[in-house]
Amino acid sequence: EAQVTQNPRYLITVTGKKLTVTCSQNMNHEYMSWYRQDPGLGLRQIYYSMNVEVTDKGDVPEGYKVSRKEKRNFPLILESPSPNQTSLYFCASKWGGGGLSSPLHFGNGTRLTVT
Amino acid sequence: DQQVKQNSPSLSVQEGRISILNCDYTNSMFDYFLWYKKYPAEGPTFLISISSIKDKNEDGRFTVFLNKSAKHLSLHIVPSQPGDSAVYFCAAGGGNKLTFGTGTQLKVEL
Repeated sequence: EAQVTQNPRYLITVTGKKLTVTCSQNMNHEYMSWYRQDPGLGLRQIYYSMNVEVTDKGDVPEGYKVSRKEKRNFPLILESPSPNQTSLYFCASKWGGGGLSSPLHFGNGTRLTVT
Repeated sequence: DQQVKQNSPSLSVQEGRISILNCDYTNSMFDYFLWYKKYPAEGPTFLISISSIKDKNEDGRFTVFLNKSAKHLSLHIVPSQPGDSAVYFCAAGGGNKLTFGTGTQLKVEL
């Protein structure tokens, strides 16, 4: 089954404790991206990757890091989480060609709480 | 600066009637528009899209209308079904950059 898998689904942590949210896709997609969803703000892009070893900032990259060492994986790293990073996070992927006409496939989300 | 706005946070419609979800954008460079649907505890899923060269695209019960001069798009669902109850996000962009709206919670009541 074609899917984007995020882990964990839920995570509660404390301020300053480094964490990684994993994302893996099995569709051989070139493009991968991370979003956060907050009430009243919709989905905002954190980072994206056009292909292996190619990453770029989205609209809200502060406090986050990503890496794209393999095509299928795109982990999101919070080196020193803060309470304002409490949010619902989504990983997404799509075929690299076709621009926006190739739609995003989303994972089921990771709900992060930072106390 | 919200470039894509969904001004109605929620909408309630009776089963069988038409649901109309609205979306406004400010960037005249946007040339592609999409709607995504999201159920609780799941990620958004693609629903329907339209490019700026068209003003209407239809897929079964779902139709998206684009009014470029007004920078407005709408999603029509006819007839609405209880399974359509979800959050709907519009998204707009150009190149490979996509901007999402804030979402509208649709509730279809029996």
